Amino acid sequence: QSALTQPASVSGSPGQSITISCTGTSSDVGGYNYVSWYQQHPGKAPKLIISEVVNRPSGVSNRFSGSKSGNTASLIISGLQAEDEADYYCGSYTSSSTLVFGGGTKLTVL
Amino acid sequence: EVQVVESGGGLVKPGGSLRLSCAASGFTFSTYTMNWVRQAPGKGLEWVSSISSSSGYIYYTDSVKGRFTISRDNAKNSLFLHMNSLRAEDTAVYYCARGQLRLDYWGQGTLVTVSS
Repeated sequence: QSALTQPASVSGSPGQSITISCTGTSSDVGGYNYVSWYQQHPGKAPKLIISEVVNRPSGVSNRFSGSKSGNTASLIISGLQAEDEADYYCGSYTSSSTLVFGGGTKLTVL
Repeated sequence: EVQVVESGGGLVKPGGSLRLSCAASGFTFSTYTMNWVRQAPGKGLEWVSSISSSSGYIYYTDSVKGRFTISRDNAKNSLFLHMNSLRAEDTAVYYCARGQLRLDYWGQGTLVTVSS
């Protein structure tokens, strides 16, 4: 049950696009289209922003999108805004019927 | 409106026990898998345990196997986590979250501190 691998931090200026990667194995990310992304602001609960690799829940901005290639999933945030500054976590269903998260990525909007 | 509200956290000594509760409302609780996820201070999210809708399938992360027990009462729309033999490394905010393949609703969490 090793954690998925994410970069510790990314940054971008308002209006730019950024990508956060999430690397796992064929037993999790690569084996299923059940990768989710969560946004967490300081002191708040995580919020689901992408599910099943590419699906956006109702109410989530279309500036958030997801993709996957092999064992690596990606979260893309376009038109960066100050309110996007937060921690982002990927999560995946696994072959053991459990869930596993990435270590988290801190997004700084410059 | 879907809501999940955790309770039962607090300060406990190493080796002690605690029971967390999660009260659910706004959805048909008995049809959903439920989870506990924890976050140590300043650290990332860690999935802890899940229980299927009818309690037929239960899973744990390796570090809590044999010490934690997840359960649910569908008649009372409630989820529980019984924690025994607590260690300092179990100190975290514990979140209750709905879902099997994605966690679409989360509570605000309850803080468990294990310290002498």
